[in-house]
Amino acid sequence: GDSVTQMEGPVTLSEEAFLTINCTYTATGYPSLFWYVQYPGEGLQLLLKATKADDKGSNKGFEATYRKETTSFHLEKGSVQVSDSAVYFCALSRKYNNAGNMLTFGGGTRLMVKP
Amino acid sequence: EAQVTQNPRYLITVTGKKLTVTCSQNMNHEYMSWYRQDPGLGLRQIYYSMNVEVTDKGDVPEGYKVSRKEKRNFPLILESPSPNQTSLYFCASSPSRGDPNQPQHFGDGTRLSIL
Repeated sequence: GDSVTQMEGPVTLSEEAFLTINCTYTATGYPSLFWYVQYPGEGLQLLLKATKADDKGSNKGFEATYRKETTSFHLEKGSVQVSDSAVYFCALSRKYNNAGNMLTFGGGTRLMVKP
Repeated sequence: EAQVTQNPRYLITVTGKKLTVTCSQNMNHEYMSWYRQDPGLGLRQIYYSMNVEVTDKGDVPEGYKVSRKEKRNFPLILESPSPNQTSLYFCASSPSRGDPNQPQHFGDGTRLSIL
């Protein structure tokens, strides 16, 4: 079945450091790929998405490129802020027979940014 | 404001005492879903619904029931809760049941503790 693998956290960085969170996936066909962010005490929010190979999703300084050849969707940010501290989830979605747009999530990566 | 509302946000209860977690969305979305979040496992889908009176099992449905009598509401029912159902639960919705490119909108979560 489908699966998503993320690097384990926590990832601890100093403010203004470069961030990479690795994500790889296994799926049949051509899934859509997402990054969701979860701030403390809140639900998940969509951060960015890419729906086909070589697409780059971007939002709030974060970027991720859909790499079909390496089945990866790594999240990057050039300069993190304390306010970026959160848990980040990589996810894929594809159309299943009669199942709509089911999301398969990775295990989540906690990011802690220190001033 | 477009939102997914879950209640209660927190609940501590005892084994075997039936409980219901409510979920309501005000976006006229067709697709609704329940997930549970456990450390290191990401989010796993419990049940989903593609429209009124249409529900189906996700990856971890055992011990749960759902209903979809109205488009906006999708309650999660634990008939006889057990300690292994202690978790953080999220309800989510999306506009289209068949479009994997559509992101899902999440509620703020319900933390259940079953003693």
